[in-house]
Amino acid sequence: AQKITQTQPGMFVQEKEAVTLDCTYDTSDPSYGLFWYKQPSSGEMIFLIYQGSYDQQNATEGRYSLNFQKARKSANLVISASQLGDSAMYFCAMKTGANSKLTFGKGITLSVRP
Amino acid sequence: GAVVSQHPSWVICKSGTSVKIECRSLDFQATTMFWYRQFPKQSLMLMATSNEGSKATYEQGVEKDKFLINHASLTLSTLTVTSAHPEDSSFYICSARAVTFKGWGYFGPGTRLLVL
Repeated sequence: AQKITQTQPGMFVQEKEAVTLDCTYDTSDPSYGLFWYKQPSSGEMIFLIYQGSYDQQNATEGRYSLNFQKARKSANLVISASQLGDSAMYFCAMKTGANSKLTFGKGITLSVRP
Repeated sequence: GAVVSQHPSWVICKSGTSVKIECRSLDFQATTMFWYRQFPKQSLMLMATSNEGSKATYEQGVEKDKFLINHASLTLSTLTVTSAHPEDSSFYICSARAVTFKGWGYFGPGTRLLVL
C-alpha cells in the first residue's frame, strides 16, 4: 500500500524568506511520481511541481523546488522568497506504477507574515 | 494549458433531493476522471475512478448507489448525490487525465454542496 505523511503543524514564515514543507512517502513500487499542490481558500487545487522516481535531478519550477531524497523516501517542497499569496494549504501526493490514482497527504497550512 | 471545469460551483439543496455535478475537460479528451471529496481542513479523499464508457470503480466505504458516477463521453463525467443528507455537505472536486499527460492530470475548481 502507498502512503504519504505530512506531519508538520501549521507553518509560519516571514515574507521573502524561504520555507521547507516536509513530505515522506512509502511504497514498494519502484516506479512512482510525487506531486505538490497548493490549495488556497478558494478551494482550487493548483499544481506546483512533479518529481518522477527515476528523475536524476531534483525538480524545480520557479520559486518552487523539490528536495528529493530517495533513500530516505522524502520529497520536501522548498519555497524561496515567500510571498503573501503563498499562504494556503499544501498537499503532497503520490501515484505509483500503472495505478493512476493519486494518494494525498493530510496537508500543511502555510501562513506568510508581512 | 489543459482546463477542467465543474458546474455548479455552489449548490444548496434540501435534504432528500438529488444533486448532479458536472465535470468537463475543455480542451482535451479525458480517458480517466476522478472524484474526490474534501471536508474542511482535511485532505482529499478519492471517492471513485471512472473511465469513459465503463462503470466507475468506487473506493472502499463509498456507497455507489448514493454517489452515482457517469462518464458518458471523453469530456464529461457527472456525479449525482442521490437523496442528499446534511452529512453529504462537502467540497467535491473532480480531476481528469489523458494517457498522453506527463505527470498526472488536472483538477476542476470544485463544487461546494450544502444540504439543509
